[in-house]
Amino acid sequence: EVQLVESGGGLVQPGGSVRLSCAASGFTFSSFEMNWVRQAPGKGLEWVSYISSSGTTIYFADSVKGRFTISRDNAKNSLYLQMNSLRAEDTALYYCARDEIRGGAFDIWGQGTMVTVSS
Amino acid sequence: QAVLTQPSSLSASPGASASLTCTLRSGINVGTYSIYWYQQKPGSPPQYLLRYKSDSDKQQGSGVPSRFSGSKDASANAGILLISGLQSEDEADYYCMIWHSNAAVFGGGTKLTVL
Repeated sequence: EVQLVESGGGLVQPGGSVRLSCAASGFTFSSFEMNWVRQAPGKGLEWVSYISSSGTTIYFADSVKGRFTISRDNAKNSLYLQMNSLRAEDTALYYCARDEIRGGAFDIWGQGTMVTVSS
Repeated sequence: QAVLTQPSSLSASPGASASLTCTLRSGINVGTYSIYWYQQKPGSPPQYLLRYKSDSDKQQGSGVPSRFSGSKDASANAGILLISGLQSEDEADYYCMIWHSNAAVFGGGTKLTVL
């Protein structure tokens, strides 16, 4: 079964850091581009970051540029999001999403991990 | 002005058709973009429905019924998700998305009520 499972979320103080992980299974992880998408409580979807299959190409939303980093370990079938200098507005459910090959659609999503930034 | 604008809500009756619009900001030509559509039900992650660029360049998501289809209205600079034969299970939030300047951009979402 194709699956993405996020972990690492929790309560973090403003200015703090957290590292999210996304474990992939059921497909050849190294062949797929990946993304992080977040959703604040009761709000819409916001794309956060993209990483190519090899990890050489990376993009970020302006709202997180300079504070978040994305990485992957294809040997461990894992995707990561390092979140630094966290703000209240970063509070959201963070999803990892697979980017279909040559299509650009986010065809597989995890269940998400919640990050709450509060003192 | 947001890159993608969707009406916040839409209501339709079971068995009827619903047309959900996604209007691109002035200066961004809908003709050059693939429009992606997602469905999200409460407590669940989004699910990919389909991609539409043109009648000759489109893709249905895996397992997505054919009563979900995409189109464009060039005069309105908008992408459209058409859902025919509405069912109660279609009640959900629907989001459009494009890739623009190396970033994925989502619309604000439309809450579809089937009643």
